[in-house]
Amino acid sequence: AQSVTQPDIHITVSEGASLELRCNYSYGATPYLFWYVQSPGQGLQLLLKYFSGDTLVQGIKGFEAEFKRSQSSFNLRKPSVHWSDAAEYFCAVAPLSGNTPLVFGKGTRLSVIA
Amino acid sequence: NAGVTQTPKFRVLKTGQSMTLLCAQDMNHEYMYWYRQDPGMGLRLIHYSVGEGTTAKGEVPDGYNVSRLKKQNFLLGLESAAPSQTSVYFCASSRPRGQASYEQYFGPGTRLTVT
Repeated sequence: AQSVTQPDIHITVSEGASLELRCNYSYGATPYLFWYVQSPGQGLQLLLKYFSGDTLVQGIKGFEAEFKRSQSSFNLRKPSVHWSDAAEYFCAVAPLSGNTPLVFGKGTRLSVIA
Repeated sequence: NAGVTQTPKFRVLKTGQSMTLLCAQDMNHEYMYWYRQDPGMGLRLIHYSVGEGTTAKGEVPDGYNVSRLKKQNFLLGLESAAPSQTSVYFCASSRPRGQASYEQYFGPGTRLTVT
């Protein structure tokens, strides 16, 4: 069965510092890979996704993620964090075909300090 | 284009009461989903639908029923609410898999409290 692991439950970074949120998945073949962000009291917004091709994916709000097949990872990065990036971040995977639903990680809460 | 909308936004129920949550999407998506979100648990899939008139169970279906009578609507029902169903409920929709444009679009959520 597919699974998604986000090893960090909570991360605190200083404003202006770089950020990396980890995501590892367990699946036989390369799946769709997603990162979503959820601000407090809001729904989920797609940051970026990987389907195929270039393994470095650019998203909205200055985020990027790199797919590493050998490590089954899809880590999210941002070179300089802003206070408005404080939110919960979810990694998700889905197979490239069929009806198996998206599988979400449990999320990483990001706090940003001055 | 409203995207995915959910009704109501908030609700308080007493144990044993019933209610229906409504999800509507205007993107002509074939697939629709209901999730619940609880602290530390991430999003867990309750039920989903791959087309009008079809539904399937997700990870945590017990205590819930769903119906997809129209392509644009997906209803989630609680027949006899329990305190364990206190949660935030999210609806989502998507196109079928196998397309580069595949992604799930989420509604704003319904916060349900069962006392």
